[in-house]
Amino acid sequence: QQQVKQSPQSLIVQKGGISIINCAYENTAFDYFPWYQQFPGKGPALLIAIRPDVSEKKEGRFTISFNKSAKQFSLHIMDSQPGDSATYFCAASVETSGSRLTFGEGTQLTVNP
Amino acid sequence: GAVVSQHPSWVICKSGTSVKIECRSLDFQATTMFWYRQFPKQSLMLMATSNEGSKATYEQGVEKDKFLINHASLTLSTLTVTSAHPEDSSFYICSAREGGRVVQPQHFGDGTRLSIL
Repeated sequence: QQQVKQSPQSLIVQKGGISIINCAYENTAFDYFPWYQQFPGKGPALLIAIRPDVSEKKEGRFTISFNKSAKQFSLHIMDSQPGDSATYFCAASVETSGSRLTFGEGTQLTVNP
Repeated sequence: GAVVSQHPSWVICKSGTSVKIECRSLDFQATTMFWYRQFPKQSLMLMATSNEGSKATYEQGVEKDKFLINHASLTLSTLTVTSAHPEDSSFYICSAREGGRVVQPQHFGDGTRLSIL
């Protein structure tokens, strides 16, 4: 029940295209859903996060869509750029229980020039 | 803002030695710090959670005598890998979270690559 399933494992997109990464969860107590971006040899960096009281959040080229009834959320990267090539992790936590993050398996995104 | 510094970034040492990794929150007070381990092309695995001034809470399967965690101040936590062996080689990452009424996001350090020969 603590798992977060992420797909696809890898994704190749052309420059200017839309990258879409999906995550699904089981624990209905989760109330915070961040996305992290990780470059090789670096720690994850918080990209964007959403709470279940909204269905969508947009920050620049990055958008999270959240479907509470389906227990799914996704990251959309518009106008994908080669510099977006990285590994993306979704995560979920129960904020009132110490914010212990449960991570998805990760998606390796490659944006071709 | 919200910068977490981790040191060293890379360490190579002989089997049997102990290695200490430092995690500092540079511009905020971290009431809670987390330590993760990451194998190549895999996700982050939480090892332990530490609150300032308290003993760390270890995840199931993590040896507390092997991985010593100290969180003595609001800006510093340390992870000591004792009597390290080749199977302890991994990428270790810390994160820190500021306290307060509103739960703040975790901010991650840049990790420490540990290689045991």
